Amino acid sequence: AQKITQTQPGMFVQEKEAVTLDCTYDTSDQSYGLFWYKQPSSGEMIFLIYQGSYDEQNATEGRYSLNFQKARKSANLVISASQLGDSAMYFCAMREYLRSYNTDKLIFGTGTRLQVFP
Amino acid sequence: DGGITQSPKYLFRKEGQNVTLSCEQNLNHDAMYWYRQDPGQGLRLIYYSQIVNDFQKGDIAEGYSVSREKKESFPLTVTSAQKNPTAFYLCASSIDLVSSGANVLTFGAGSRLTVL
Repeated sequence: AQKITQTQPGMFVQEKEAVTLDCTYDTSDQSYGLFWYKQPSSGEMIFLIYQGSYDEQNATEGRYSLNFQKARKSANLVISASQLGDSAMYFCAMREYLRSYNTDKLIFGTGTRLQVFP
Repeated sequence: DGGITQSPKYLFRKEGQNVTLSCEQNLNHDAMYWYRQDPGQGLRLIYYSQIVNDFQKGDIAEGYSVSREKKESFPLTVTSAQKNPTAFYLCASSIDLVSSGANVLTFGAGSRLTVL
C-alpha cells in the first residue's frame, strides 16, 4: 500500500527565512503525483504545488518549490522568504491509482504545523 | 465565484442521532470526495463519486452514507452506527478522478461535528 510520511509535527521559522518541510513516500507505481496543501486555522485546504513522477525539473510556484528526489522517495516543500501568513498546517499527499475501479484518490500525510515568528 | 460550499460549519449532535452534512459545488467538476480529519492525523477518505448516482467506499466508510443525485451535490450522512463521529469533515471536488497529471482537489471550508 502507498504511504506518505511527514516526520516533523511542528516547525518554527523566523520571518524572511527559508524553511524546508519534509515528506517521504512509498509506492511501487512508476507513475504517481505528489501534492502539497496548506491548511490555515480557518480549516480549508489550499493547493500549493504539484510534482509528477516523470517531471525532470523540480516544481516551483512563487515562493514554493518542491525538492523532488526520486531515488530517495522524498518530496520536500521549500518555502522561501517566510511570511507571518505562512503559519499553518502543511500536508503532503500522493495520488494513488485504484486499478479495480479505474479511479484514483489522494492519500495524505499527518501534516506539519509551521509557525513563523517576527 | 466558483467553489465548494459546506454547511453547517459547526454542528452538535446527541448520541444516537443521524446528521447530514451538505456539500455543493459550482465548479462543474465530475468527481467529489468526503474526507475526515482528526487531530494529529492526516485526511482519511470516507466516500468518493465519479458521476451522478454512483459512489464508492473509501478507507473509512463504516457508519457513513452518501448520495449523488445531482452533479453539484454530494451530501454525507453520519449515522448513529459511526462510533467516533466527532471530527472535522472536508468535502472536495476535481475535474475527474483519473488523471495522469495534476488532478488538483478543490476543498470546501469544512464542517466540524461534535457529538455530545
